[in-house]
Amino acid sequence: EAQVTQNPRYLITVTGKKLTVTCSQNMNHEYMSWYRQDPGLGLRQIYYSMNVEVTDKGDVPEGYKVSRKEKRNFPLILESPSPNQTSLYFCASSSISSGNTGELFFGEGSRLTVL
Amino acid sequence: GEDVEQSLFLSVREGDSSVINCTYTDSSSTYLYWYKQEPGAGLQLLTYIFSNMDMKQDQRLTVLLNKKDKHLSLRIADTQTGDSAIYFCAVYNFNKFYFGSGTKLNVKP
Repeated sequence: EAQVTQNPRYLITVTGKKLTVTCSQNMNHEYMSWYRQDPGLGLRQIYYSMNVEVTDKGDVPEGYKVSRKEKRNFPLILESPSPNQTSLYFCASSSISSGNTGELFFGEGSRLTVL
Repeated sequence: GEDVEQSLFLSVREGDSSVINCTYTDSSSTYLYWYKQEPGAGLQLLTYIFSNMDMKQDQRLTVLLNKKDKHLSLRIADTQTGDSAIYFCAVYNFNKFYFGSGTKLNVKP
Protein backbone atom coordinates (compact mmCIF):
# COMPACT_ATOMS: atom_id res chain seq x y z
CA GLU A 1 0.00 0.00 0.00
CA ALA A 2 1.32 3.43 -1.00
CA GLN A 3 1.82 5.51 2.11
CA VAL A 4 3.70 8.17 4.00
CA THR A 5 4.50 7.17 7.57
CA GLN A 6 5.33 9.64 10.33
CA ASN A 7 6.50 8.91 13.86
CA PRO A 8 5.70 9.71 16.55
CA ARG A 9 2.05 10.62 16.06
CA TYR A 10 1.88 12.38 19.41
CA LEU A 11 4.67 13.85 21.50
CA ILE A 12 4.88 16.06 24.54
CA THR A 13 8.32 17.42 25.30
CA VAL A 14 10.03 20.24 27.17
CA THR A 15 11.79 23.34 25.92
CA GLY A 16 15.30 22.64 24.68
CA LYS A 17 15.12 18.86 24.45
CA LYS A 18 16.16 17.83 20.94
CA LEU A 19 13.70 15.71 19.04
CA THR A 20 13.32 14.11 15.63
CA VAL A 21 10.11 13.36 13.76
CA THR A 22 10.68 10.66 11.18
CA CYS A 23 9.02 10.45 7.79
CA SER A 24 9.20 7.60 5.31
CA GLN A 25 7.50 7.04 1.96
CA ASN A 26 7.31 3.88 -0.15
CA MET A 27 6.37 5.43 -3.49
CA ASN A 28 9.86 6.27 -4.75
CA HIS A 29 8.93 9.95 -4.83
CA GLU A 30 11.63 12.49 -5.49
CA TYR A 31 9.91 15.35 -3.69
CA MET A 32 9.34 15.38 0.06
CA SER A 33 8.30 18.22 2.33
CA TRP A 34 7.30 19.18 5.85
CA TYR A 35 4.41 21.44 6.88
CA ARG A 36 3.03 22.75 10.09
CA GLN A 37 -0.66 23.34 10.55
CA ASP A 38 -1.86 26.03 12.94
CA PRO A 39 -5.44 27.26 13.44
CA GLY A 40 -6.36 30.03 11.03
CA LEU A 41 -3.01 29.79 9.23
CA GLY A 42 -3.51 26.66 7.18
CA LEU A 43 -0.43 24.68 6.22
CA ARG A 44 2.92 26.40 5.99
CA GLN A 45 5.89 24.74 4.36
CA ILE A 46 8.93 24.29 6.61
CA TYR A 47 11.44 22.55 4.33
CA TYR A 48 11.33 20.60 1.13
CA SER A 49 13.62 18.30 -0.78
CA MET A 50 13.70 17.80 -4.54
CA ASN A 51 15.84 14.66 -4.27
CA VAL A 52 18.55 12.95 -2.23
CA GLU A 53 21.00 15.42 -0.69
CA VAL A 54 18.96 18.37 -2.03
CA THR A 55 17.03 20.36 0.58
CA ASP A 56 15.70 23.89 0.65
CA LYS A 57 13.88 26.23 2.99
CA GLY A 58 10.16 26.75 2.84
CA ASP A 59 8.35 29.69 4.36
CA VAL A 60 8.92 28.94 8.07
CA PRO A 61 12.29 27.14 8.43
CA GLU A 62 13.52 28.84 11.61
CA GLY A 63 14.18 26.38 14.43
CA TYR A 64 14.07 23.31 12.18
CA LYS A 65 16.56 21.15 10.32
CA VAL A 66 16.10 18.35 7.81
CA SER A 67 18.23 15.82 6.00
CA ARG A 68 17.71 13.65 2.93
CA LYS A 69 20.32 10.93 2.93
CA GLU A 70 18.02 8.36 1.35
CA LYS A 71 15.19 8.83 -1.10
CA ARG A 72 12.53 7.32 1.16
CA ASN A 73 13.33 9.19 4.41
CA PHE A 74 13.06 12.85 5.32
CA PRO A 75 13.37 13.44 9.08
CA LEU A 76 12.48 16.75 10.72
CA ILE A 77 14.81 17.78 13.53
CA LEU A 78 14.08 20.29 16.26
CA GLU A 79 17.46 20.97 17.88
CA SER A 80 16.09 23.10 20.72
CA PRO A 81 12.28 23.07 20.70
CA SER A 82 10.39 26.08 21.98
CA PRO A 83 6.69 26.48 22.88
CA ASN A 84 5.97 28.34 19.62
CA GLN A 85 6.79 25.11 17.80
CA THR A 86 3.76 23.45 19.36
CA SER A 87 1.80 22.46 16.28
CA LEU A 88 0.49 19.69 14.06
CA TYR A 89 3.17 18.58 11.61
CA PHE A 90 2.65 16.86 8.28
CA CYS A 91 5.12 15.17 6.02
CA ALA A 92 4.20 14.79 2.36
CA SER A 93 5.74 13.39 -0.80
CA SER A 94 5.14 13.82 -4.50
CA SER A 95 6.38 12.77 -7.88
CA ILE A 96 6.82 16.14 -9.52
CA SER A 97 7.93 15.81 -13.07
CA SER A 98 6.61 16.56 -16.52
CA GLY A 99 3.28 14.87 -17.03
CA ASN A 100 2.55 14.36 -13.33
CA THR A 101 -0.08 16.30 -11.44
CA GLY A 102 2.25 16.93 -8.53
CA GLU A 103 -0.26 15.43 -6.09
CA LEU A 104 1.03 15.51 -2.53
CA PHE A 105 0.58 12.37 -0.47
CA PHE A 106 0.34 13.20 3.22
CA GLY A 107 1.21 11.34 6.36
CA GLU A 108 -1.32 11.21 9.18
CA GLY A 109 0.32 14.01 11.12
CA SER A 110 2.40 14.38 14.28
CA ARG A 111 0.98 16.48 17.08
CA LEU A 112 3.81 18.07 19.02
CA THR A 113 3.45 19.94 22.30
CA VAL A 114 6.45 21.81 23.72
CA LEU A 115 6.08 22.81 27.37
CA GLY B 1 6.22 34.05 -1.66
CA GLU B 2 2.67 33.42 -2.64
CA ASP B 3 -0.41 34.40 -0.63
CA VAL B 4 -3.37 32.06 -0.84
CA GLU B 5 -6.57 33.18 0.85
CA GLN B 6 -9.84 31.45 1.67
CA SER B 7 -12.77 32.20 3.90
CA LEU B 8 -12.71 30.18 7.10
CA PHE B 9 -16.25 28.81 7.30
CA LEU B 10 -19.15 27.77 5.06
CA SER B 11 -22.44 26.27 6.17
CA VAL B 12 -24.93 24.68 3.76
CA ARG B 13 -27.94 22.41 3.92
CA GLU B 14 -27.76 18.84 2.71
CA GLY B 15 -28.64 18.63 -0.98
CA ASP B 16 -27.62 22.22 -1.73
CA SER B 17 -24.53 23.20 -3.72
CA SER B 18 -21.43 24.42 -1.88
CA VAL B 19 -19.03 26.91 -3.40
CA ILE B 20 -15.65 27.42 -1.78
CA ASN B 21 -13.54 30.29 -3.05
CA CYS B 22 -9.82 30.93 -3.09
CA THR B 23 -7.60 33.75 -4.30
CA TYR B 24 -3.87 33.66 -4.94
CA THR B 25 -1.30 36.26 -5.82
CA ASP B 26 1.26 34.80 -8.23
CA SER B 27 0.05 34.36 -11.79
CA SER B 28 2.94 32.01 -12.60
CA SER B 29 1.46 29.22 -10.45
CA THR B 30 1.36 26.13 -12.63
CA TYR B 31 -0.85 23.68 -10.76
CA LEU B 32 -3.76 24.48 -8.49
CA TYR B 33 -5.34 21.98 -6.15
CA TRP B 34 -8.17 21.31 -3.77
CA TYR B 35 -7.44 19.08 -0.79
CA LYS B 36 -9.86 17.72 1.79
CA GLN B 37 -9.00 17.13 5.44
CA GLU B 38 -11.26 15.04 7.63
CA PRO B 39 -10.93 15.20 11.44
CA GLY B 40 -7.73 13.63 12.74
CA ALA B 41 -6.39 12.85 9.28
CA GLY B 42 -3.93 14.17 6.76
CA LEU B 43 -4.96 15.94 3.59
CA GLN B 44 -6.16 14.06 0.54
CA LEU B 45 -6.28 15.40 -2.98
CA LEU B 46 -9.80 16.04 -4.22
CA THR B 47 -9.06 17.52 -7.60
CA TYR B 48 -6.59 19.71 -9.44
CA ILE B 49 -6.47 22.02 -12.43
CA PHE B 50 -3.62 23.14 -14.64
CA SER B 51 -3.09 26.84 -15.13
CA ASN B 52 -3.92 26.55 -18.85
CA MET B 53 -7.46 25.32 -18.08
CA ASP B 54 -10.56 27.32 -17.15
CA MET B 55 -12.77 24.57 -15.83
CA LYS B 56 -12.64 20.99 -14.77
CA GLN B 57 -15.54 18.74 -13.82
CA ASP B 58 -15.24 15.50 -11.92
CA GLN B 59 -18.56 13.92 -10.88
CA ARG B 60 -20.02 16.25 -8.20
CA LEU B 61 -17.00 18.54 -8.24
CA THR B 62 -16.51 21.52 -10.54
CA VAL B 63 -13.37 23.64 -10.42
CA LEU B 64 -13.34 27.07 -12.02
CA LEU B 65 -10.16 29.04 -12.61
CA ASN B 66 -10.18 32.74 -13.43
CA LYS B 67 -6.56 33.54 -14.19
CA LYS B 68 -7.19 37.22 -14.76
CA ASP B 69 -8.58 37.65 -11.24
CA LYS B 70 -6.38 34.89 -9.75
CA HIS B 71 -9.49 33.23 -8.39
CA LEU B 72 -10.13 29.53 -7.95
CA SER B 73 -13.40 27.99 -6.84
CA LEU B 74 -14.65 24.54 -5.93
CA ARG B 75 -18.32 23.72 -6.36
CA ILE B 76 -19.72 20.60 -4.73
CA ALA B 77 -23.11 19.64 -6.14
CA ASP B 78 -25.72 17.88 -3.97
CA THR B 79 -23.65 18.34 -0.82
CA GLN B 80 -23.88 15.47 1.65
CA THR B 81 -23.16 15.28 5.38
CA GLY B 82 -20.11 13.20 4.50
CA ASP B 83 -18.69 16.25 2.71
CA SER B 84 -18.27 18.01 6.07
CA ALA B 85 -14.52 18.63 6.34
CA ILE B 86 -11.90 21.32 5.91
CA TYR B 87 -11.09 22.15 2.29
CA PHE B 88 -7.71 23.60 1.37
CA CYS B 89 -6.81 25.44 -1.76
CA ALA B 90 -3.16 24.98 -2.77
CA VAL B 91 -0.92 26.24 -5.57
CA TYR B 92 2.42 24.98 -6.82
CA ASN B 93 5.00 27.53 -7.82
CA PHE B 94 8.76 27.21 -8.22
CA ASN B 95 9.15 23.96 -6.26
CA LYS B 96 6.97 25.07 -3.37
CA PHE B 97 3.40 24.38 -2.39
CA TYR B 98 1.36 27.18 -0.85
CA PHE B 99 -1.81 26.46 1.05
CA GLY B 100 -4.72 28.62 2.08
CA SER B 101 -6.00 28.66 5.65
CA GLY B 102 -8.70 26.10 4.86
CA THR B 103 -12.48 26.45 4.70
CA LYS B 104 -14.45 24.44 7.20
CA LEU B 105 -17.58 23.16 5.47
CA ASN B 106 -20.48 22.33 7.74
CA VAL B 107 -23.35 20.42 6.13
CA LYS B 108 -26.62 20.57 8.03
CA PRO B 109 -29.12 17.70 7.62
